[in-house]
Parts: sequence; C-alpha cells; structure tokens
Amino acid sequence: GAGVSQSPRYKVAKRGQDVALRCDPISGHVSLFWYQQALGQGPEFLTYFQNEAQLDKSGLPSDRFFAERPEGSVSTLKIQRTQQEDSAVYLCASSSTGSGYTFGSGTRLTVV
Amino acid sequence: GQQVMQIPQYQHVQEGEDFTTYCNSSTTLSNIQWYKQRPGGHPVFLIQLVKSGEVKKQKRLTFQFGEAKKNSSLHITATQTTDVGTYFCAGRSGGSNYKLTFGKGTLLTVNP
Repeated sequence: GAGVSQSPRYKVAKRGQDVALRCDPISGHVSLFWYQQALGQGPEFLTYFQNEAQLDKSGLPSDRFFAERPEGSVSTLKIQRTQQEDSAVYLCASSSTGSGYTFGSGTRLTVV
Repeated sequence: GQQVMQIPQYQHVQEGEDFTTYCNSSTTLSNIQWYKQRPGGHPVFLIQLVKSGEVKKQKRLTFQFGEAKKNSSLHITATQTTDVGTYFCAGRSGGSNYKLTFGKGTLLTVNP
C-alpha cells in the first residue's frame, strides 16, 4: 500500500484483557519497528524486525508484550493481561535501508 | 544507554518570528533524523543528516549536524501557522544501524 496501516485506530481494554494491534507496512520494506508513545513524550523503541526475524526486542517493557511478523510483512503486537500503565499510542513504522521511518497513524490504547 | 535531549520543551512564537530547537546526544551519532508530529497526528520524516558539520535546507527550514556529531539543530525562518506541531530529533548511534532514539520533542505553537 501507499503508507503504513495500523488497526484498530482506538482500543479500550479492561484491565487484565489481552489485546492485539496490527501493522501493515509499506510493501517491500524490510525493516519494521514498534514504538510506544506516551502523552507529551517522544516515541520509545519497543522492537525491531528485519523481514520475519525479530532482531531486537530490548524495548519491550515486560514479558506480557509479544510481537511477531511471521511472513515478513504484517506484524502484530500483542499485550497480555493489560495494565493501566500500558495506556499509550503504539506506533508502527517501516523503512527501507538507510532511509527515514514511515509511521502509521498509531493505535491509541486505553486500559480502564 | 543512549540519551537524546531536546530544548526547549515548548516554544510559542508570533507568526513571522524565527524558531530554533536544539538536540544533544550523550553519544556520538552515526546519523540524525528530524520528524514533525502535528497535534493528533503521527511523526512524519523531514530529513536525515549524516556528515559532520552538515547543513541542509528545506524552504524555510535549516538543519545542522554538529562537528562532533553529538548535536543538531532545526531553525525555522519566519514561522507560519502551518508550522505548528512537535519537532523530534532522533539519533542513531554507531552501535546500531537500525534503532532510532527519539528526543522528547519541542512543541511549537504559532500565534497568527
């Protein structure tokens, strides 16, 4: 597609519920990133994929966070047993080698 | 770990005034990128600087990369209301050829 597509745009989850956030990157982009952005802050790195390989997951806050990109295109970020501190905007970005990131519109997660 | 700091956090100007935001890294950067995020939007890539002392211009925007590759600045000449948004710098250190560390951003508001 022309851009990075994320769904859902908004998600309200009850505390303890599991959620799955989807990212459809730009076709042909090898690199895919997930970032978390709290209100008034800069994006914080969560994880990085090169094709289907998850090369860096050092930014995932806890073992409740899991990301996958099984066929090297669409990626899913899963959060198990959501907590209030998980409330944030989750941004997906893709890029080709050496270029800037193209971000999706993000998923705003609110845990109540 | 690598830290990227931006000042000021907020800047309010009258339309037509100039604006500058500064970015400093705790480590030497291999390159630095700048992004703009409109209110309610997602970060949009503006530019990448790679060389020591590099200066690039985009219309009224001037980007500089410091000689030591640890700092950068973005200067906007004669601001317009369309310049409103948060400007983020994001640095990539030599230890990683993919991961960007974002600053907290400078929120620019412009009074017409």
